[in-house]
Amino acid sequence: NAGVTQTPKFQVLKTGQSMTLQCAQDMNHEYMSWYRQDPGMGLRLIHYSVGAGITDQGEVPNGYNVSRSTTEDFPLRLLSAAPSQTSVYFCASTSASAYEQYFGPGTRLTVT
Amino acid sequence: AQTVTQSQPEMSVQEAETVTLSCTYDTSENNYYLFWYKQPPSRQMILVIRQEAYKQQNATENRFSVNFQKAAKSFSLKISDSQLGDTAMYFCAFMSGGAQKLVFGQGTRLTINP
Repeated sequence: NAGVTQTPKFQVLKTGQSMTLQCAQDMNHEYMSWYRQDPGMGLRLIHYSVGAGITDQGEVPNGYNVSRSTTEDFPLRLLSAAPSQTSVYFCASTSASAYEQYFGPGTRLTVT
Repeated sequence: AQTVTQSQPEMSVQEAETVTLSCTYDTSENNYYLFWYKQPPSRQMILVIRQEAYKQQNATENRFSVNFQKAAKSFSLKISDSQLGDTAMYFCAFMSGGAQKLVFGQGTRLTINP
């Protein structure tokens, strides 16, 4: 049972490039979320999903796309990277019957 | 929209002392959950303790306990007999009942000195 996994751990992009941050969980959780962590601001919700085929926007969705084709995977796509997207990104999952969110180890993204 | 405020950006205490981290929140809901997460230098988010708003009894987990004041919308974390391994960022977080979305405070950087 690996829990929540994220790849890559580190990434450097140039402005305008696109990429996908991967997130997978093996706990059969219905809910999955993406957060970003910026210095002095805590974590903020980008997008979330309540099940396969269902996604919705969080607090800071602009510049990001998500899809949920399977229960296990919830990738986050940066369409055209900007320096303002330099951050640490966390994926999390939880079951519908519980309230503890399990976090992945995070991806540190730098956009130059 | 809910907000969570942690008014102490940094705190520092000696090993074995007791320390209290403050958190206030704003909501009009009656059904919600409150959490404290620990983030050590490894960056991993670790759940420390959880409180259901409908429970009057304060949650405790070994050396960690909370003081939940629902009317005052206050949710402080007390760490007793602090240890060097408690050095970390601590985040207070709010979740509406059934929403499965966390709203975080800005965090408190806690340093335990030997």
